[in-house]
Amino acid sequence: GAGVSQSPSNKVTEKGKDVELRCDPISGHTALYWYRQSLGQGLEFLIYFQGNSAPDKSGLPSDRFSAERTGGSVSTLTIQRTQQEDSAVYLCASSRTSGSNEQFFGPGTRLTVL
Amino acid sequence: AQRVTQPEKLLSVFKGAPVELKCNYSYSGSPELFWYVQYSRQRLQLLLRHISRESIKGFTADLNKGETSFHLKKPFAQEEDSAMYYCALIPSRAGNNRKLIWGLGTSLAVNP
Repeated sequence: GAGVSQSPSNKVTEKGKDVELRCDPISGHTALYWYRQSLGQGLEFLIYFQGNSAPDKSGLPSDRFSAERTGGSVSTLTIQRTQQEDSAVYLCASSRTSGSNEQFFGPGTRLTVL
Repeated sequence: AQRVTQPEKLLSVFKGAPVELKCNYSYSGSPELFWYVQYSRQRLQLLLRHISRESIKGFTADLNKGETSFHLKKPFAQEEDSAMYYCALIPSRAGNNRKLIWGLGTSLAVNP
């Protein structure tokens, strides 16, 4: 079956513009995660969705970042008024439940803010 | 604070040599530890987790709570093991949130 997909694979934008990053999790996976990997840094947790529960937004670095998950499936990460420090690879992962199940990762979106 | 440390950015060994990728963590409770791997031009994938106590592709990792370590080992490295390896932790108190806390990764190069 299809794995986690993300689009676009690459995004170049100008400072101050808004961007939307999309994640399609594996069908039937109820948990969805967004991570960020900046140059020279490890992976940083951003936000977590589990079913119909309120998302855990504790990792979002500022109020310019927001995310939605519609119908318990597709998720969109939005960055408003992008800054150069937002440049990173944004990874999405999903898992069957929120238990000790394996997280399956998408290929990532490389965001470059000029 | 919860933290995962991988002290080596790059590890280079010859084919057939033993390899050990180090991982230390700081957490007061009993975390779950994982190793993820990313081969060139592929996505991140789970290699193994400590609760499974399994050997994957010849790799093993033992959780040492006394030393707060979870080193990844393989007795005889192969060229196809060349990849980026990440150690990660889920705090046991995370409840339903299984967010991973990551190390910075170690790039393993296995030379012929």
